[in-house]
Amino acid sequence: QKEVEQNSGPLSVPEGAIASLNCTYSDRGSQSFFWYRQYSGKSPELIMFIYSNGDKEDGRFTAQLNKASQYVSLLIRDSQPSDSATYLCAPQNAGNMLTFGGGTRLMVKP
Amino acid sequence: DVKVTQSSRYLVKRTGEKVFLECVQDMDHENMFWYRQDPGLGLRLIYFSYDVKMKEKGDIPEGYSVSREKKERFSLILESASTNQTSMYLCASSGPGMNSPLHFGNGTRLTVT
Repeated sequence: QKEVEQNSGPLSVPEGAIASLNCTYSDRGSQSFFWYRQYSGKSPELIMFIYSNGDKEDGRFTAQLNKASQYVSLLIRDSQPSDSATYLCAPQNAGNMLTFGGGTRLMVKP
Repeated sequence: DVKVTQSSRYLVKRTGEKVFLECVQDMDHENMFWYRQDPGLGLRLIYFSYDVKMKEKGDIPEGYSVSREKKERFSLILESASTNQTSMYLCASSGPGMNSPLHFGNGTRLTVT
């Protein structure tokens, strides 16, 4: 079992819809969880992070964390074609090291 | 804004050559990392460093070495490049403690022929 699991996609949503990206992790010691966006041919850029159970909102993005279920998700409201990218989930362990999932490719169709 | 600069965007080298990939960050970060990214394999950690002259092996250190002589600079060295080291190489830095995100450079696409 991989340490960080993400559905590779592609996840296709129409413009204006909500995109839901999911991530499960195996290390129960993970404390913080980062979401990165990576456009094709570019390096990952930080979207947001979450460390408490529940929801955290930042503009059109909402991160959701459930440590008991070892599950973290990212919701993108009012999806735009410019949101088309690969989204990487990265739990941070007790040693402050990030482990990256394989990423989910999101396609937002106009 | 944190800036992480990788010296080359594209690099083509021959098998057996010694290759240096340079990375410089301007935020006085303690932690620096080298990853490689390949389709289907995701981001894999090669080496990291918590301080000057300190280095730790990541998940795939074989065939690589690193050097950190100054806090702002972290170099990745391929002692004898091989074709299976053709990849995208990403340098990153972070501050200390929890909730410190990684800040990535623009990447170096290395091709070994």
